[in-house]
Amino acid sequence: QSALTQPASVSGSPGQSITISCTGTSSDVGSYNLVSWYQQHPGKAPKLMIYEGSKRPSGVSNRFSGSKSGNTASLTISGLQAEDEADYYCCSYAGRNVVFGGGTKLTVL
Amino acid sequence: EVQLVESGGGLVKPGGSLRLSCAASGFTFSSYSMNWVRQAPGKGLEWVSSISSSSSYIYYADSVKGRFTISRDNAKNSLYLQMNSLRAEDTAVYYCARGPARPDYFDYWGQGTLVTVSS
Repeated sequence: QSALTQPASVSGSPGQSITISCTGTSSDVGSYNLVSWYQQHPGKAPKLMIYEGSKRPSGVSNRFSGSKSGNTASLTISGLQAEDEADYYCCSYAGRNVVFGGGTKLTVL
Repeated sequence: EVQLVESGGGLVKPGGSLRLSCAASGFTFSSYSMNWVRQAPGKGLEWVSSISSSSSYIYYADSVKGRFTISRDNAKNSLYLQMNSLRAEDTAVYYCARGPARPDYFDYWGQGTLVTVSS
């Protein structure tokens, strides 16, 4: 049950696009198209942003999109806004367990 | 409106026990898997345990296997986590989260309850 690998931090200016990567193994990300992404603002509970690789829950902006290639999943945020500044976590189903990434702090410059 | 409200957190000594509860409302509790996810102070999210809608499957993270027990009472719309043999590294905010039949994502989260293990 090793954590998925995410960059510790990414940054971008308002209006730009950024991508956060999430690297796992053939036992988790590579075996299932069941990666989810969560946004967490300080002191708040996580919020589901993407599920099953690329699906957006109702109410989540279409500026958020997800994809996967091999053992690596990605979250792309387009048209960056100040309120996007938060921590982002990827998560993968892995059979009889679930594994999270270490988290990425997004700074909007 | 979906609501998940955790309770039962607090300060406990190493080796002690604690039982967390999660009261659910606003949805058909018996139709969803339920999960516990924790977050140590200043750290990332860590999945702890999942239980299916009818309790037919139960999964645990290696870090808590043999010490924690997840359960649910569909008649009371409640989820529980019995935590025994607590260690300092179990100190965290514990979140209750709803999931689909298979725990591949968590669509609603509670606000969390803080568990502190310290002498």
